[in-house]
Amino acid sequence: GAGVSQSPSNKVTEKGKDVELRCDPISGHTALYWYRQSLGQGLEFLIYFQGNSAPDKSGLPSDRFSAERTGGSVSTLTIQRTQQEDSAVYLCASSFPRDYRRFFGPGTRLTVL
Amino acid sequence: KQEVTQIPAALSVPEGENLVLNCSFTDSAIYNLQWFRQDPGKGLTSLLLIQSSQREQTSGRLNASLDKSSGRSTLYIAASQPGDSATYLCAVLGGGADGLTFGKGTHLIIQP
Repeated sequence: GAGVSQSPSNKVTEKGKDVELRCDPISGHTALYWYRQSLGQGLEFLIYFQGNSAPDKSGLPSDRFSAERTGGSVSTLTIQRTQQEDSAVYLCASSFPRDYRRFFGPGTRLTVL
Repeated sequence: KQEVTQIPAALSVPEGENLVLNCSFTDSAIYNLQWFRQDPGKGLTSLLLIQSSQREQTSGRLNASLDKSSGRSTLYIAASQPGDSATYLCAVLGGGADGLTFGKGTHLIIQP
């Protein structure tokens, strides 16, 4: 597609529920990144994929967070048993190999009640 | 650990003025530096990317400079317009898992 797309754009959920956030990168981009942006905070790196592999998952805040990427394209970020502190905007970005310009999606605004 | 600082945190100027946003970083071993724009409730839009071997990049009314040895970059906006109002983020690409370290941004308001 023309740009990185994310869905849903907004998600409101109850504490304890699981949520899935989706990212469709720009076609041909091998690298994909997930970030979290909390109110008034900078961007927090979560995880990075090169192809379908995630070389480093240490940015994930807890074991309730997981991510996968299939076919070198779409990625899903899953948050299990959501907590109120998970409320944030989750941003996805993609690029050609890591050293190139990154293009960001519009984000998913997650609100945990 | 790389740290990126943006000054000022917020800036409000009348329309038509030229302005400079500053970004500094602590580790000069970077591959590139990228300036982004973020509108309220939206994602990030890439404005300019400067490779470590370059000194500046220009796009329209925007000019970004890079002085890697001193750990500084500036984003110059000429003839500012109300549509330039947004948060501007600076990010440097270095080592590490993701490699991209962001500043906290400068919140810019251009008064009509």
